[in-house]
Amino acid sequence: AQSVTQLGSHVSVSEGALVLLRCNYSSSVPPYLFWYVQYPNQGLQLLLKYTSAATLVKGINGFEAEFKKSETSFHLTKPSAHMSDAAEYFCAVSHSGGSNYKLTFGKGTLLTVNP
Amino acid sequence: GAVVSQHPSRVICKSGTSVKIECRSLDFQATTMFWYRQFPKQSLMLMATSNEGSKATYEQGVEKDKFLINHASLTLSTLTVTSAHPEDSSFYICSARALAPMNTEAFFGQGTRLTVV
Repeated sequence: AQSVTQLGSHVSVSEGALVLLRCNYSSSVPPYLFWYVQYPNQGLQLLLKYTSAATLVKGINGFEAEFKKSETSFHLTKPSAHMSDAAEYFCAVSHSGGSNYKLTFGKGTLLTVNP
Repeated sequence: GAVVSQHPSRVICKSGTSVKIECRSLDFQATTMFWYRQFPKQSLMLMATSNEGSKATYEQGVEKDKFLINHASLTLSTLTVTSAHPEDSSFYICSARALAPMNTEAFFGQGTRLTVV
């Protein structure tokens, strides 16, 4: 079984401040981990993914995440928030390879950016 | 590349009617497509997984006769909400998984907002 816990359903930061969105996972096998962003009334856009290569993953729009196996974490960070970063962010986990490719999503974290 | 188009983006229908939602992979072949439902301010809940040419696999608690899924080709899957009721109002999102080497991630459509009145 696999699961994802996103700590904090709502995170608020000032423009230019550090963004930190937390994600912890549970998986019985080596996981693939993903961060997605969702803008209102839209689908999901992939920000970045971890697929057992480098533990520090760089994604689009200046975001990055670090896979820490000892902490079962995959936190998302961005050094300087921009107003356009305001959106809902979802962390997701799936099994590495095989036919079971179901994504299990966290409950999401709403990021607001204050001017 | 890797674009998934979902249509329509919004639909309003009367209670008791059926609504069909299409999910197309525009520039790749999708061996597997997934249908999700998202309630306001909540996460995505997987409804079913469909593979081209075979019956969909539904998650526990999802009514097969209510939510008909057809995956007739490697680029098209459809979700039909039959005899829709107001409680079926939701945001429905599809995703598609490509063949290797792009199969490590799923690509999402833009979603369909269904309102049943």
